[in-house]
Amino acid sequence: NAGVMQNPRHLVRRRGQEARLRCSPMKGHSHVYWYRQLPEEGLKFMVYLQKENIIDESGMPKERFSAEFPKEGPSILRIQQVVRGDSAAYFCASSLDMNTEAFFGQGTRLTVV
Amino acid sequence: QKEVEQNSGPLSVPEGAIASLNCTYSDRGSQSFFWYRQYSGKSPELIMSIYSNGDKEDGRFTAQLNKASQYVSLLIRDSQPSDSATYLCAVNMEYGNKLVFGAGTILRVKS
Repeated sequence: NAGVMQNPRHLVRRRGQEARLRCSPMKGHSHVYWYRQLPEEGLKFMVYLQKENIIDESGMPKERFSAEFPKEGPSILRIQQVVRGDSAAYFCASSLDMNTEAFFGQGTRLTVV
Repeated sequence: QKEVEQNSGPLSVPEGAIASLNCTYSDRGSQSFFWYRQYSGKSPELIMSIYSNGDKEDGRFTAQLNKASQYVSLLIRDSQPSDSATYLCAVNMEYGNKLVFGAGTILRVKS
């Protein structure tokens, strides 16, 4: 049973480009969370999605960031017009339902140059 | 307003000792509580979950939950150098439907 798969593991983008991060949840999991971790800081909640629905996006910046979890395929976190402050590790987690254990992927480390 | 609070540490314990990690949370309606371990440069790894008041033991780990005091702790018995990591407390907040993490406690086990 494969775990949570994220790709790419490392992503380098120039300022102004778009970054697209992908997350495939564990088999059978329909709840996906995205978190951002800045260097030497804790995990900050960004968004919680179920299939085709955004449940809670209270942690998402108002501009440039969007997330989706389509009926088919992985969840996508999209960052438009990246800036250097977007450089961070982005982790995806999935769970069976809202109150059960969430398991993390290996993360995508985004570097904006 | 802090939602999940942890002492950042570092907490230093000698090898073989008991390490005690603490966490408080603000949402009284929270139902699910988790401890994750994160090694530097790696992703968080789930080590314990607890849902009801009292203690839950798994090997060298014991999680303790007191909902009245809004307090959850993690005890690590017979600490090993390989336990040296950042320990993250996570709480599933009733409002907002989200899993909120504390900033983490750095644990250092000295051999």
